[in-house]
Amino acid sequence: DQQVKQNSPSLSVQEGRISILNCDYTNSMFDYFLWYKKYPAEGPTFLISISSIKDKNEDGRFTVFLNKSAKHLSLHIVPSQPGDSAVYFCAAAEGAGSYQLTFGKGTKLSVIP
Amino acid sequence: SQTIHQWPATLVQPVGSPLSLECTVEGTSNPNLYWYRQAAGRGLQLLFYSVGIGQISSEVPQNLSASRPQDRQFILSSKKLLLSDSGFYLCAWDRETGELFFGEGSRLTVL
Repeated sequence: DQQVKQNSPSLSVQEGRISILNCDYTNSMFDYFLWYKKYPAEGPTFLISISSIKDKNEDGRFTVFLNKSAKHLSLHIVPSQPGDSAVYFCAAAEGAGSYQLTFGKGTKLSVIP
Repeated sequence: SQTIHQWPATLVQPVGSPLSLECTVEGTSNPNLYWYRQAAGRGLQLLFYSVGIGQISSEVPQNLSASRPQDRQFILSSKKLLLSDSGFYLCAWDRETGELFFGEGSRLTVL
């Protein structure tokens, strides 16, 4: 049973527009969420995180929104740039510092120039 | 600053052959270390994690094993590879905040 779901395997967005990547989770014990970005043949890199005590966290062009009641989070990238084209993984944990992150399957974002 | 390296970057091995992937971390002490596998359509799967020398926890029963002979060294091994072991293997370490930092990855193809 998948506890973290990214239901869109791929997404295409025009350069300069907003990219919205979605993630749903089923485990109500999750209270810390992270987004990772991965280029082909490289390890994922950390992008942004959010704890369940917040509903929004912003870092430059990246904003993560958390809706605890819906068990849903989303990553917004504004404006999208061609260099943002990558696979984005959503991850969740029971508390920061957990030994185990549960990852979604990823969403491949293509930003079209 | 902390860095993490793993090797080899690519590996093509026949079924039944052994495997050894190595990972080292620099710039930190007593890190938590992880081995993940990314297989097609399956996201990132945690294989092993270690909180200290000689301490290994396995998350997925399989023909792979891990060892931590030194504080900043983590090794993924197999005595006999299966076709299903093909994938992209990632070593990682984390900070207390839970952020994982990944190595460059190792692409394993088992033929």
